[in-house]
Amino acid sequence: GAGVSQTPSNKVTEKGKYVELRCDPISGHTALYWYRQSLGQGPEFLIYFQGTGAADDSGLPNDRFFAVRPEGSVSTLKIQRTERGDSAVYLCASSLGTGTGNEAFFGQGTRLTVV
Amino acid sequence: AQSVAQPEDQVNVAEGNPLTVKCTYSVSGNPYLFWYVQYPNRGLQFLLKYITGDNLVKGSYGFEAEFNKSQTSFHLKKPSALVSDSALYFCAVRDDNYGQNFVFGPGTRLSVLP
Repeated sequence: GAGVSQTPSNKVTEKGKYVELRCDPISGHTALYWYRQSLGQGPEFLIYFQGTGAADDSGLPNDRFFAVRPEGSVSTLKIQRTERGDSAVYLCASSLGTGTGNEAFFGQGTRLTVV
Repeated sequence: AQSVAQPEDQVNVAEGNPLTVKCTYSVSGNPYLFWYVQYPNRGLQFLLKYITGDNLVKGSYGFEAEFNKSQTSFHLKKPSALVSDSALYFCAVRDDNYGQNFVFGPGTRLSVLP
């Protein structure tokens, strides 16, 4: 498909385990974003990539969270030593270039449940 | 830093009536404003944006929004609501003084009653 693809769509993990969430952006989009959405709330910014580099990671809540985008396309959000409070929907988005007026296109999200 | 407020958690409107979903923002630089819609168990879907120019912008599915600089508002509107418009609506802002991330409001749940 032509949209942003996120896998898995659902992930259940035990407290303390490590998880990886994958995002495949729209082809040709150089900007990629990760957001986290808790029930009943708006999306919360985590990290933004321009190309391969993390241009802004100020939203990552702590050092258990890390994201990579090694080839400037697919990105992986990694969470170590998961906690129950990490349970949320993790949204990925991509946009064309760095223009502030460019809208972002979102994937359907990965619902992470830590039990 | 930039911020977005959506003062109404819930908006109810009868089918066929006009609808308004409110949004106000705070930025230090020039605002770039966006509306997104979220259907159950789906990601966010882009509706429309304001960058510059005409204060009234038109978007998908008959939605429009009016930018008001003096009131720092960007309310979403539709002349005639459909039951299928029932969803969660998010306003978002970018501030060219603060980088590229989108700051989202808390969302407004719109219910269109038949």
